[in-house]
Amino acid sequence: SQKIEQNSEALNIQEGKTATLTCNYTNYSPAYLQWYRQDPGRGPVFLLLIRENEKEKRKERLKVTFDTTLKQSLFHITASQPADSATYLCAPGRGGGADGLTFGKGTHLIIQP
Amino acid sequence: NAGVTQTPKFQVLKTGQSMTLQCAQDMNHNSMYWYRQDPGMGLRLIYYSASEGTTDKGEVPNGYNVSRLNKREFSLRLESAAPSQTSVYFCASSDINPTEAFFGQGTRLTVV
Repeated sequence: SQKIEQNSEALNIQEGKTATLTCNYTNYSPAYLQWYRQDPGRGPVFLLLIRENEKEKRKERLKVTFDTTLKQSLFHITASQPADSATYLCAPGRGGGADGLTFGKGTHLIIQP
Repeated sequence: NAGVTQTPKFQVLKTGQSMTLQCAQDMNHNSMYWYRQDPGMGLRLIYYSASEGTTDKGEVPNGYNVSRLNKREFSLRLESAAPSQTSVYFCASSDINPTEAFFGQGTRLTVV
């Protein structure tokens, strides 16, 4: 069955450094992969979507890569700020609504001033 | 523009009681989803509806039923609540083709 793995341990990064989060998947061939941010007590909020034919996508300080050979996506936050502290979730999918929308367990990111 | 609205925000049930969680979206989305989120378990898909008139089981459907009442509304029913169903429930919606999903604010349910 499909498996999505994200670092379960919290990731502590010093302010100003680049934070890199990993999403690995197995037994699955997604056509795209989404990243979301979730703050305590709130629903997830969409950040970026990258398709299988795209190697990299950027949005302001965010960068996502997608390696279908390694079955891995990397999510980077450059010039990190304490306000970036949150849980980040990845969600690979095939689209068409045929397979729902499933998420990894998320990585808790802490940016220390 | 309200987005995705869930009701209620908080609920306490006794074991064996039934209740329906309501979800409505005003973005004309085709797909809607119900998740539960427990500490250390992440978001787990309960049921989803790819389009009006269709529903499918997700990862953890046991103990739940859903109804896609119309394109706007997707309800989740607990027929006989159990303590194991204590959780935070999120509803979400999106278009069928890969686009972002929008989430409601969540329902915190406690079954005692």
